[in-house]
Amino acid sequence: QKEVEQNSGPLSVPEGAIASLNCTYSDRVSQSFFWYRQYSGKSPELIMSIYSNGDKEDGRFTAQLNKASQYVSLLIRDSQPSDSATYLCAVFMFSGGYNKLIFGAGTRLAVHP
Amino acid sequence: DAGVIQSPRHEVTEMGQEVTLRCKPISGHDYLFWYRQTMMRGLELLIYFNNNVPIDDSGMPEDRFSAKMPNASFSTLKIQPSEPRDSAVYFCASSQQGAGDIQYFGAGTRLSVL
Repeated sequence: QKEVEQNSGPLSVPEGAIASLNCTYSDRVSQSFFWYRQYSGKSPELIMSIYSNGDKEDGRFTAQLNKASQYVSLLIRDSQPSDSATYLCAVFMFSGGYNKLIFGAGTRLAVHP
Repeated sequence: DAGVIQSPRHEVTEMGQEVTLRCKPISGHDYLFWYRQTMMRGLELLIYFNNNVPIDDSGMPEDRFSAKMPNASFSTLKIQPSEPRDSAVYFCASSQQGAGDIQYFGAGTRLSVL
């Protein structure tokens, strides 16, 4: 089992729709969770961080965390073509003897006009 | 602040040559991270430093890879000798308060080993 799992996609949504990106993780005691966006050929940039169960909203983005289910998601409302990118879920967890940020493989999102 | 600065942006070299990648973290950030990204393996942590001291180098693939941080504003990742399977994008990132804090990434170095 991978430590952080995401569907690779592509997830294709029409412009204006809600895009839902999901991530599961293996370490039950993880406390810090991040969503990064990465455009093709560019570096990852932080979209959201979340530390407590429940929802956290920032503009069109909502992160949802359920520690009991070891599940974190990102909702993008009113999706725009400019949201087309790969979204990386990252979890701060104990791995290989150290606490570190582990990235999922990413979900590619395509928003079509 | 200018953000995390990496150089060079692109590097093309021949197998067996030494490659040195450079990174300047954001001023005031005590943690520096080196990652490698490939299609097959995704984004992998190679090593990270806290206050210029290496903390976790368990991700360094083999002895051909080495990293140093001589001062708070400069780090290098060296590959010697380089091999075609080292071809990847190498990112440097920094954070202010810990390995679990928000990490800010540099633009990356795209390495091609022929």
